[in-house]
Amino acid sequence: AQSVAQPEDQVNVAEGNPLTVKCTYSVSGNPYLFWYVQYPNRGLQFLLKYITGDNLVKGSYGFEAEFNKSQTSFHLKKPSALVSDSALYFCAVRDRQTGANNLFFGTGTRLTVIP
Amino acid sequence: GAGVSQSPRYKVAKRGQDVALRCDPISGHVSLFWYQQALGQGPEFLTYFQNEAQLDKSGLPSDRFFAERPEGSVSTLKIQRTQQEDSAVYLCASSFRGRNTEAFFGQGTRLTVV
Repeated sequence: AQSVAQPEDQVNVAEGNPLTVKCTYSVSGNPYLFWYVQYPNRGLQFLLKYITGDNLVKGSYGFEAEFNKSQTSFHLKKPSALVSDSALYFCAVRDRQTGANNLFFGTGTRLTVIP
Repeated sequence: GAGVSQSPRYKVAKRGQDVALRCDPISGHVSLFWYQQALGQGPEFLTYFQNEAQLDKSGLPSDRFFAERPEGSVSTLKIQRTQQEDSAVYLCASSFRGRNTEAFFGQGTRLTVV
């Protein structure tokens, strides 16, 4: 079975401060991991993914995420938050080994960057 | 096109009415997915196509839900005899073939059943 947990429904951070949005996952095999962002009345936009190789992956808009196999985590980070980063963030996983092609999503974390 | 296009953006249906939601994927994308997103929740998988073949429909909540992609491009999600619990945003996504590829999402269709 595949699942994703985003333990924080809401994260608030001051503009210019570093931000972290947490994600842990569960798969039977090895994961492909993804982060998406959703702005109001918009579809999900792809930010970054972990496939293999370097555990630190860099994506769009200055975001990065670190894959930690021992902790089964894939936390999203940004060194300096912008007000425009305020949005809903979703972590998603796909198992490499199972037959399922779809992504399993977490319930989302609402990020608010305070000016 | 430049992105995944879904229509209509908003649909209000009376309970018991049939609805059809359209998805126009990115040109050349073999894989197409439908997801349902309830308010305050993450997207939940409904069904998956590879070209015109529906390879996985395990997420369809009932036999009132039906999806097709007859020519391997445009897809339609049909809901028969809509019920209030069908109210949600229906998202379509497409991608290249391959389990390590990211999916690109449309803006969704917000269905409200009254």
